Amino acid sequence: EPEVTQTPSHQVTQMGQEVILRCVPISNHLYFYWYRQILGQKVEFLVSFYNNEISEKSEIFDDQFSVERPDGSNFTLKIRSTKLEDSAMYFCASSVRELGEQYFGPGTRLTVT
Amino acid sequence: AQSVTQLGSHVSVSEGALVLLRCNYSSSVPPYLFWYVQYPNQGLQLLLKYTTGATLVKGINGFEAEFKKSETSFHLTKPSAHMSDAAEYFCAVSDNTDKLIFGTGTRLQVFP
Repeated sequence: EPEVTQTPSHQVTQMGQEVILRCVPISNHLYFYWYRQILGQKVEFLVSFYNNEISEKSEIFDDQFSVERPDGSNFTLKIRSTKLEDSAMYFCASSVRELGEQYFGPGTRLTVT
Repeated sequence: AQSVTQLGSHVSVSEGALVLLRCNYSSSVPPYLFWYVQYPNQGLQLLLKYTTGATLVKGINGFEAEFKKSETSFHLTKPSAHMSDAAEYFCAVSDNTDKLIFGTGTRLQVFP
């Protein structure tokens, strides 16, 4: 069964460094999303992406964050100048259509020290 | 703005017992409602969803949920728990966009 994959499973970085979290959505999906979950808190929407453009973004998704679909398979989340409060589990999701079922990856645990 | 409240961060049941996970929502528009399950080291998997129509929604693995507008609730139930149901369960709401608003999750433990 097709699935969303994410790499790495765990990323440790120092405060101020840039990180790129990678996701491979399901191949025929067109809509892509990033969510995050700070330990003990809710899963929070970050951004949705369609047709090489951001469709919607949350207040969390400020200039520190960017997303890109650099080729036909990967979907990346870049965090510039990481802060301690960026430590969280980051989930990628994809969907075949708007308002369709979102399929989630297993997440990348980001630890900023 | 939408929000979701899940009552009980941990629920424990015996195998064969009724599972009831509670979810209340707040929405200014007719909501779309979802239940997701997360097994260890895996992504979130959709159990069931309510959009319009029948208020009792059946999902995978024997789970179902009922949309009660008057109570702003969407509780998840399963008549008989199985050991394999042990996981974390998330309720979510959307306002007819792709932005899902999640609750804090409920960890279900099933004892033999």
